[in-house]
Formats: sequence, structure tokens, C-alpha cells
Amino acid sequence: KAGVTQTPRYLIKTRGQQVTLSCSPISGHRSVSWYQQTPGQGLQFLFEYFSETQRNKGNFPGRFSGRQFSNSRSEMNVSTLELGDSALYLCASSLNLMDARLNTGELFFGEGSRLTVL
Amino acid sequence: ILNVEQSPQSLHVQEGDSTNFTCSFPSSNFYALHWYRWETAKSPEALFVMTLNGDEKKKGRISATLNTKEGYSYLYIKGSQPEDSATYLCAFMGPDSSYKLIFGSGTRLLVRP
Repeated sequence: KAGVTQTPRYLIKTRGQQVTLSCSPISGHRSVSWYQQTPGQGLQFLFEYFSETQRNKGNFPGRFSGRQFSNSRSEMNVSTLELGDSALYLCASSLNLMDARLNTGELFFGEGSRLTVL
Repeated sequence: ILNVEQSPQSLHVQEGDSTNFTCSFPSSNFYALHWYRWETAKSPEALFVMTLNGDEKKKGRISATLNTKEGYSYLYIKGSQPEDSATYLCAFMGPDSSYKLIFGSGTRLLVRP
């Protein structure tokens, strides 16, 4: 069974540019979550999608957006990049995040997209 | 603002030592508590998902307990091995923060041979 796939793995952008990151979840998983990790910080929640609907959004500016397609693949976009956006962006999929009592509800993470903004 | 605290921040132990870490989370509106292991250059990997007060889970030499009334969980590693070296993350989910996990900053474990 293929795991969560994120592309690209590494990218370098300059301030003011925009970037799109892609995530393909495990087959059959309908929930996709995105997290940001910066040096010295824990994983910060960006958003969660289920069946093409955003169910929750973290405390990030409107420059951060995302979407989910009918095949559960998800993309996130960051516009007008700032130096502080340099981070590891992790995508995670699960069957259904709120089914912790019915199944494990655990997250399966991709290897991440490491973004550097110069 | 919901806060998830982990202690200690880092830990160095000798191979064969047993060790434990703490995760503190809000005791109200609890839904689930997750533990993940994150090895360098790899993806975080789920260890346990715990939902009931008093839950105890075990996977090999690693076990975890949960106290939702006082808002803490312990992760234990018995007879640490160098391959246990990783960052251990806990994450809290409450019904009023549905559909997201709030992660602690992690405990970084280094096991010396």
C-alpha cells in the first residue's frame, strides 16, 4: 500500500513569489491535514479537508490556502511568500480524523515539502 | 488557547535504561490523545491513539497511559535501544477543536550504545 506522497520535496523561492504544494493521501483515506514546522516550533496546524470540504483552519494569514479534489488529493498554496514561511510542510491523511473511537483515527504523514524563501 | 506541554525537552540515556516522558493537555473537552515517533529524515509515525480515561496501550517495549481527568499521559520505553532515538510527539484533540490535532513540541530522546 503506497504511503502519503508529497511533491515537491524541496524548493527554493524568493520573497513575493507564490508556491503550490501537493499531497496524495493513502488510497481510501478521505481526510487530509496540513502542518507547518519551523525551527524551534512544534507542528502547527494549517487546515484539514474531508471530501473536498475544509472542516477546520489554523491561525494562519489568508495567504495560506488549500483545497481538496474529488480523488482526495490536496494542494496548499502560499502567496506573497515571506522569509518566515521557510519551513517543512507536512501533509497527513487518515480514514476520518474524528473516528478515533471507531478506528484508530491516526495520521499517516508524508515526508514533507521543505520550502526555503530567500 | 489550547496548550500541549511535553517534558523533558530532551533526554540522553544509556542503552538498556528505561525512560518515560510526560504530555500535559487540557483536561476539559477531551476527545483523543495521540503519540507519534519522529526519526530524523523520516515521517512522523503513529504509536498510539488513546481515547478513554485509564487507557493503557503497549507496543513492544513502548507503552503509554492516559489520565483525562487530570490531563496527562505518560510514554514509557523499557530497555531503551539506539534505534529508539527519535523525537516523541504527543497531540491532543478536543471536540471544540474538531478535525485538528494540537501537537506538543516533543521530547527528543538520544540512546547511547
